[in-house]
Amino acid sequence: DTGVSQDPRHKITKRGQNVTFRCDPISEHNRLYWYRQTLGQGPEFLTYFQNEAQLEKSRLLSDRFSAERPKGSFSTLEIQRTEQGDSAMYLCASNVRGINEKLFFGSGTQLSVL
Amino acid sequence: EDKVVQSPLSLVVHEGDTVTLNCSYEVTNFRSLLWYKQEKKAPTFLFMLTSSGIEKKSGRLSSILDKKELFSILNITATQTGDSAVYLCAVVLRDGGSQGNLIFGKGTKLSVKP
Repeated sequence: DTGVSQDPRHKITKRGQNVTFRCDPISEHNRLYWYRQTLGQGPEFLTYFQNEAQLEKSRLLSDRFSAERPKGSFSTLEIQRTEQGDSAMYLCASNVRGINEKLFFGSGTQLSVL
Repeated sequence: EDKVVQSPLSLVVHEGDTVTLNCSYEVTNFRSLLWYKQEKKAPTFLFMLTSSGIEKKSGRLSSILDKKELFSILNITATQTGDSAVYLCAVVLRDGGSQGNLIFGKGTKLSVKP
């Protein structure tokens, strides 16, 4: 158990629908990251937060994607008007910057867009 | 542009073999290098390397970093079927780097046959 939890574990949706994923990091971790991973590829960076501030968002990220971390604790990732190309594993990770660079990953949310 | 390249992308061996996985990088402001093992879900942490020439060891796995030649290797001796996984390499950047200061390679998929 890594301590980072993600919900749901699996999501099947129809093209055009909106989906929202949740990530609860390890409680004392101030940094939270979202990655997307497709089969045979390494994790692709999407965005990250330090406390409640979103410090960076991938240039490759469509404006259909938005993420929040309103109180510096849990985070949500929303995808609007889903497309089949959004089908992937969405991974959340957290760490404490400056103390331990090691990322702790959640088990991911597997999204399938039909 | 910062990048991390892993080789080979996939590898098939038989139980008992020894394997060497490679990770090379071209980045600005290197801070440390991480190795992860990913089976079906969350990547799990293996090693963090910050200094050249110091081998990290855990059971049959070991890793070393060469900051002059900009690469790291991960060795697995006496492989077992349970070692079958994707092995990910990630480079942590000092503050000011992109992608949340962490860049992943595409991974090496290792398959160990009985």
